[in-house]
Formats: sequence, structure tokens, C-alpha cells
Amino acid sequence: QVQLQESGPGLVKPSQTLSLTCTVSGASISNGGYHWTWIRQHPGKGLEWIGYIYYSGNTYYNPSLRSRVTISVDTSANQFSLKLTSVTAADTAVYYCARDREGRGGVPGWFDPWGQGTLVTVSS
Amino acid sequence: QSVLTQPPSASGTPGQRVTISCSGSSSNIGSNTVKWYQQLPGAAPKLLIFNNNQRPSGVPDRFSGSKSGTSASLAISGLQSEDEADYYCATWDDSLNALVLFGGGTKLTVL
Repeated sequence: QVQLQESGPGLVKPSQTLSLTCTVSGASISNGGYHWTWIRQHPGKGLEWIGYIYYSGNTYYNPSLRSRVTISVDTSANQFSLKLTSVTAADTAVYYCARDREGRGGVPGWFDPWGQGTLVTVSS
Repeated sequence: QSVLTQPPSASGTPGQRVTISCSGSSSNIGSNTVKWYQQLPGAAPKLLIFNNNQRPSGVPDRFSGSKSGTSASLAISGLQSEDEADYYCATWDDSLNALVLFGGGTKLTVL
């Protein structure tokens, strides 16, 4: 079955760049019909959608994070990555990657499956 | 404050039927399909309902979803202790700043 696994540093200093990678197994990112997505959850809080990438490289980001976010894809490694610049303590969260079944009109559909999540703490 | 409004908590006893509401507007629930996710303690969210009322394979038919106008509901019948979790609704919002919205989440307690 399809599995996703996040990896990257668990601690990032303020003002630096958060970088995470999601490795996909059981499916090829290069197959169409899916967006590859990042979602985060602040400690004890709800879910926040960060954005997605299509295998072609097309991206769409949450407007509130757009100026700081870059999502990229490496189809040869079957991975996609998240970079978030100029982080502050407010970016401390569990970061999830997920596969998004493309919905009607190409908008995000539903997220399934999800990775287990990785906690990133922003602190000096 | 989430654009999609859910009650922060809900509860029921084993065997009961509980419903969780999700209220939005014409630019989100009113014009797009609703999904529901279950997050067990310490785990990643899991898809429970998509396209308003469809269950992925493996999700028990005790879980059902519905949508009417700008609101949606998740119903859980025959409540079990393992249903104790956080539940989130989600949908696309196609206003000027289009994005995926999640509800604030509802913590379900099985008494």
C-alpha cells in the first residue's frame, strides 16, 4: 500500500529555513491524478494546510504562507520537499505529508494516506 | 478562529449515536465537497469520509456523512470506546484567496 514518511531536522533556529522531505513508497509520484501535500499541526491545535505540488512541478500554496514556502519534487527519488524560510516559534508544529486525490476542477480533494508526522521545534 | 465551525467537544456513551456539525459558507461548504478526518491520540489524521458521504474501504459503516447547504455533519452510530478521537471537517474554499480549510476540530469523548 502507499506509504509516506517525513524526514528532516527536529530543531531549527529562529530566522533560519525549515527543510523537510517526504519519501513515497508503494506509488509513483509521476503518476497523475494526485497532488503531494504538506499540512501542519501546531501543538495541541488544529490542522493547517500548507500547499501542494503536482508531479509536473506545478504548485499551490496557502496564501498566508505563500511568501515563505517552497515545495519541490524529485520524481527520480520519489520524494517531495518543503522549505519554509524565516521561521519563528510560531512555526513550531508537527508537519505531515499526504497524498491528495485531485478533485473536480483540479482543486485539492481528500488527503489519504498521511505520513506519521514529524515535530519541528523552532528555538535557539 | 476557523472559517469552518465545529463544536469543540462532543460526548456519548457506548452504543449511542452522536453527530458532529461543521458550518461554513457559500464559498466553501456551499460549493465544494466535504471530507472528515479522524485523529486518534498521538496518531496522524486518517480519512473517514470524502465527497460528503463516501467512506474509504475499511471505514466501518457506523460512520456516515451528510451535507446540506453550507453545513455538513458526521454521524457515528453504535459508539465504541475506540472512537474517542479528534474529528476534523475539511473542504476547499474558492474565495479570492483560495485554499484548503480545516474545521477547528471536535474532541469526542466516549463516557
